[in-house]
Amino acid sequence: DAGVIQSPRHEVTEMGQEVTLRCKPISGHNSLFWYRQTMMRGLELLIYFNNNVPIDDSGMPEDRFSAKMPNASFSTLKIQPSEPRDSAVYFCASSGDLANTQYFGPGTRLTVL
Amino acid sequence: QKEVEQNSGPLSVPEGAIASLNCTYSDRGSQSFFWYRQYSGKSPELIMFIYSNGDKEDGRFTAQLNKASQYVSLLIRDSQPSDSATYLCAVYTGGFKTIFGAGTRLFVKA
Repeated sequence: DAGVIQSPRHEVTEMGQEVTLRCKPISGHNSLFWYRQTMMRGLELLIYFNNNVPIDDSGMPEDRFSAKMPNASFSTLKIQPSEPRDSAVYFCASSGDLANTQYFGPGTRLTVL
Repeated sequence: QKEVEQNSGPLSVPEGAIASLNCTYSDRGSQSFFWYRQYSGKSPELIMFIYSNGDKEDGRFTAQLNKASQYVSLLIRDSQPSDSATYLCAVYTGGFKTIFGAGTRLFVKA
């Protein structure tokens, strides 16, 4: 069975541009999580969804960040406008059990110049 | 503030030795406990989970949970250079929220 799929794997953009990251969770999983990882701050939870509904977006750093989950098999994380301090690896994870066992995608490495 | 604490390391052990990784958590209501392995440049990979007090063994890995002491550990027996990675402790506190520790870097010397 396919794991969590993320695209693109690498993104290089210039400051001020819009960036859209995509995620396809594991089929049958009903919870989806977006994380950001940097050397300085480690793994940070940005937002999570349950049954396509955003449950907690308190980790979203600013209004420049937004996330959607229009259906059970697709989610996006958008940054508009992007800034150099947004450079990080962004992970999507999904879970399908009551214990909240999370499985991570390969990540998107974002570089904002 | 719910927290998960890990020693950042690096923890250096010789090949064939037992590596012991430790984690403490602050929320007594925590329900599930996980260990993830993350190689440099890769995503976290689930290697163990434990829900009940005691030990759980899977191959060379043993997870230990002591809820009274709010302590979780991971033992890696017969450590191999390929075990060199960062190990993340994660604690599910309920409400779909899992808190990750900052990770312990393990280095296994050949």
